[in-house]
Amino acid sequence: QSALTQPASVSGSPGQSITISCTGTRSDVGGYNYVSWYQQHPGKAPKLMIYDVSNRPSGVSNRFSGSKSGNTASLTISGLQAEDEADYYCSSYTSSSTWVFGGGTKLTVL
Amino acid sequence: EVQLLESGGGLVQPGGSLRLSCAASGFTFRTYAMSWVRQAPGKGLEWVSGISGSGSITYYADSVKGRFTISRDSSKSTLYLQMNSLRAEDTAMYYCAKYYHSYYYGMDVWGQGTTVTVSS
Repeated sequence: QSALTQPASVSGSPGQSITISCTGTRSDVGGYNYVSWYQQHPGKAPKLMIYDVSNRPSGVSNRFSGSKSGNTASLTISGLQAEDEADYYCSSYTSSSTWVFGGGTKLTVL
Repeated sequence: EVQLLESGGGLVQPGGSLRLSCAASGFTFRTYAMSWVRQAPGKGLEWVSGISGSGSITYYADSVKGRFTISRDSSKSTLYLQMNSLRAEDTAMYYCAKYYHSYYYGMDVWGQGTTVTVSS
């Protein structure tokens, strides 16, 4: 199972919006609405931000939103804040009943 | 408070074995699917293995299939990962994680991780 494709880095200024893409295949992202997004700060465990493409767990800010079109899922963060600076990973359920992660995207808040 | 606490990591020679444990608390352990996810130094996340709430169904990444075995003991609220025939490329921080409601929803609770180093 190959890793999902994410941009290595994105950046934005406070208050702006950014979008991180996550491209897979029909065997993962395109085949199921089981895409999750995780935020990871340096030296910390990942945190679930989005599940089932566009749902937020309780406690996650509504500045975070998810969507999907075909084989590509996207995470949008609006109203960027300094604390949003972190690594972000997408993950998808696969046709093998396993999960696959993206390579990760480093978000820099300028 | 929902919590996961991993243990059992350490330094092991190539070809050796190690068993990781993950003690769960604050939730009904047997109700939730669980998983192991690893992260090599400076690298991204890699899903390793998952197990159903009952323990009857297990899943493995191709990279560990046949070498690693996931299991759980509901009486002890503990998740395990038996790792055999270890290779240098298995060196990583290993996290256990709980699935949010079901195996399809993503992982909402993570432990702090335990480090495995495979080196001679």
